Amino acid sequence: DAKTTQPNSMESNEEEPVHLPCNHSTISGTDYIHWYRQLPSQGPEYVIHGLTSNVNNRMASLAIAEDRKSSTLILHRATLRDAAVYYCILRDGAGGGSNYKLTFGKGTLLTVNP
Amino acid sequence: SAVISQKPSRDICQRGTSLTIQCQVDSQVTMMFWYRQQPGQSLTLIATANQGSEATYESGFVIDKFPISRPNLTFSTLTVSNMSPEDSSIYLCSGPEQLNTEAFFGQGTRLTVV
Repeated sequence: DAKTTQPNSMESNEEEPVHLPCNHSTISGTDYIHWYRQLPSQGPEYVIHGLTSNVNNRMASLAIAEDRKSSTLILHRATLRDAAVYYCILRDGAGGGSNYKLTFGKGTLLTVNP
Repeated sequence: SAVISQKPSRDICQRGTSLTIQCQVDSQVTMMFWYRQQPGQSLTLIATANQGSEATYESGFVIDKFPISRPNLTFSTLTVSNMSPEDSSIYLCSGPEQLNTEAFFGQGTRLTVV
């Protein structure tokens, strides 16, 4: 599996935007960029994913570099409930469900200050 | 979105005993995945559970220690056998949604072995 690199931790203030970076220099052409987050004492939850173009959903935005070697998860207005570990994961888009085993790195621990 | 329920949510077990964790999905999924999250660590994939065939284990995990059943497309169990304190972890199950765009996770089973 292609590897990702994320900062160990980041801090933000409530109601401010947060930009969580992820480097994935060995990404292949069929790798999707997925973001999951894990709130305290919960299982991971899906946040967003993309292939080449920037993506938006109700939770966040995903900005993907033109060469796809890096991406940034954007939380537009952080709330206290966004405090979690955020995982950037590459998933091979070929192969269907059998490729849904996810390889989790250490992720970024986001602290949100009131 | 799929809902995954795990039972038990937590347990304290004596060393040398076994615990079976149940995972129920509210929709049919082709693959189910079992992960372990050791204290303060990220998630590590244990095995992929296929219906009607033997589970596929990741390096470092063996069937004798972590036998898995997958009797139908909505249910799976993971047994942690002959437990030792090193098995104290959170165990999570996961399944992809129909279009394989995201994975859903159970809330996890927090196991403490004494």
